[in-house]
Amino acid sequence: SAVISQKPSRDICQRGTSLTIQCQVDSQVTMMFWYRQQPGQSLTLIATANQGSEATYESGFVIDKFPISRPNLTFSTLTVSNLSPEDSSIYLCSVVGQVNQETQYFGPGTRLLVL
Amino acid sequence: AQSVTQLGSHVSVSEGALVLLRCNYSSSVPPYLFWYVQYPNQGLQLLLKYTSAATLVKGINGFEAEFKKSETSFHLTKPSAHMSDAAEYFCAVSEEGGFKTIFGAGTRLFVKA
Repeated sequence: SAVISQKPSRDICQRGTSLTIQCQVDSQVTMMFWYRQQPGQSLTLIATANQGSEATYESGFVIDKFPISRPNLTFSTLTVSNLSPEDSSIYLCSVVGQVNQETQYFGPGTRLLVL
Repeated sequence: AQSVTQLGSHVSVSEGALVLLRCNYSSSVPPYLFWYVQYPNQGLQLLLKYTSAATLVKGINGFEAEFKKSETSFHLTKPSAHMSDAAEYFCAVSEEGGFKTIFGAGTRLFVKA
């Protein structure tokens, strides 16, 4: 399975600011995804990060609020813009490998608290 | 459309007792099914997956799950609970392999000494 790292692991931000989260994978992967896990809840897919093109967003998520980049097959960033307390969540990066495309693997997550 | 229902947001068992976490799914095509575990302050770790091979799937840490098409279920079991099993468990379904995975609400497992 792929080894996935995320930076930062946690952060505390003021409302109105933005936070950029990095996801790095130790091997080339087919697909990269970004999920949100709000306190005490399950995972919700934000978007699919497409290499070299605009991300594909799920219903309820927009590019202005959650801009995503994926410059290559091993790296992606998610920015959470214009932060409000409601954005306090865990943000998780996940990947599907090039060889084994049956399973998603997850990074350790970034814990965001917005004051 | 695919969906997942996990019965019971909290399950409490004694150490050494049977663990049973329930999951029912809905899918218009033969699904891929997964169980993930999330330990406190960590990401998700894959426990096991069903991909249309054997209906009884064995995973890590002594867990296993049985795919029952007639019941649209994929319950997770472990014969003897250990304190280290205390965590949040998520059942997930996908109609496209590792893509567009839908997660259940999660079940928090408590293990009593």
